Amino acid sequence: ETGVTQSPTHLIKTRGQQVTLRCSSQSGHNTVSWYQQALGQGPQFIFQYYREEENGRGNFPPRFSGLQFPNYSSELNVNALELDDSALYLCASSLFSEQYFGPGTRLTVT
Amino acid sequence: TQLLEQSPQFLSIQEGENLTVYCNSSSVFSSLQWYRQEPGEGPVLLVTVVTGGEVKKLKRLTFQFGDARKDSSLHITAAQPGDTGLYLCAGSGGNNRKLIWGLGTSLAVNP
Repeated sequence: ETGVTQSPTHLIKTRGQQVTLRCSSQSGHNTVSWYQQALGQGPQFIFQYYREEENGRGNFPPRFSGLQFPNYSSELNVNALELDDSALYLCASSLFSEQYFGPGTRLTVT
Repeated sequence: TQLLEQSPQFLSIQEGENLTVYCNSSSVFSSLQWYRQEPGEGPVLLVTVVTGGEVKKLKRLTFQFGDARKDSSLHITAAQPGDTGLYLCAGSGGNNRKLIWGLGTSLAVNP
């Protein structure tokens, strides 16, 4: 059974640029949730995708968008990057309520 | 709006001490999960509690779900430096696949 994978591991971008983060869900899971996490704090919910449809969104601006593919992998896109977007981005896959996390993508915006 | 309050936010103890972390809400959850996260890594699921009053043990860790399914606790006996990390609780509201997260308890166990 393959776990949740994320790519890239680390990324450095300049303010105003766009970024795409990728997540491969665990085998058999049809739901992917994305989180933003600042150092030492709990994860902040960005949005969730269930069977290719958005299934809820947290308090993030529209420049954060996502996509889920038929194989249930997912992308997180962030446009017009701001310095405050620097964080660890986590994806979690699930079948029901238990979520299994990938290792995260560390995004630094300069 | 459902909220989960975790306490304490920070905890620094000596190896061998016991500690308890609390997760409280005014809302009822169908299940509650505890995760541990180490720096630079994703959270790892430790346990899921489902039934009111349920107690689960994982080696030196004891998890309890309140009778009314509104609160939970994590007790660590004889803490070790390897227990250091961020402990997170997250509640599920039933058919809803989304989790409500606590802000986490940052635990440091000093040798």
